[in-house]
Amino acid sequence: QVQLQQWGAGLLKPSETLSLTCAVYDASFSDYYWSWIRQAPGTGLEWIGNINHSGSTNYNPSLNSRVTISVDTSKNQFSLTLTSVTAADTAVYYCARVAHLWNSFENWGQGILVTVSS
Amino acid sequence: QPALTQPASVSGSPGQSITISCTRSSSEVGAYHYVSWFQVHPGKAPKLMIYDVSNRPSGVPDRFSGSKSGNTASLTISGLQTEDEADYYCSSYSSFNTVVFGGGTKLSVL
Repeated sequence: QVQLQQWGAGLLKPSETLSLTCAVYDASFSDYYWSWIRQAPGTGLEWIGNINHSGSTNYNPSLNSRVTISVDTSKNQFSLTLTSVTAADTAVYYCARVAHLWNSFENWGQGILVTVSS
Repeated sequence: QPALTQPASVSGSPGQSITISCTRSSSEVGAYHYVSWFQVHPGKAPKLMIYDVSNRPSGVPDRFSGSKSGNTASLTISGLQTEDEADYYCSSYSSFNTVVFGGGTKLSVL
């Protein structure tokens, strides 16, 4: 049973940097792409980007200039960094495993609510 | 214009069938590929219900089915149950190696 466990700061001030990490258990880390997805309060899901074990990334163009996804294969972990956050970045952030194709997110982390407020 | 458009809400009674549509914008380039559907209960992580248009992951009841015709994909739930009440999101591969989601549909089981 694949498990994803995520952690990171839940409260940020505007202009600070969001940093989250997701650890993967019981999955062949190198066989899949790994993604970050968020859901702002009262709104829909938004894809942030993905990464594979070799560090190849793809990002949502609307966030491209502020987002970095990185991987640590020695720990089976991948991370999200989002710079210069604003209130619009307040959301529940999820990590997920891409099981088959680009958007077959079959396993999800528990989600972390990140609030941006002064 | 959003890349994928879903109805804001649909409803049905227990035992009935409902269909949620997901229409791709005409401004999107390339083929309409890799449609997935997710179920989201309040406060819970999304759950993959359908991938690659019509494939069900292990453990998803066969009451859930997916299809696509032209620029519209559909999720059909037959034999509605009260626990099916949730938000449903479609998703597809978009151009230049990105992924998009629809705006979501609230399913009410009356």
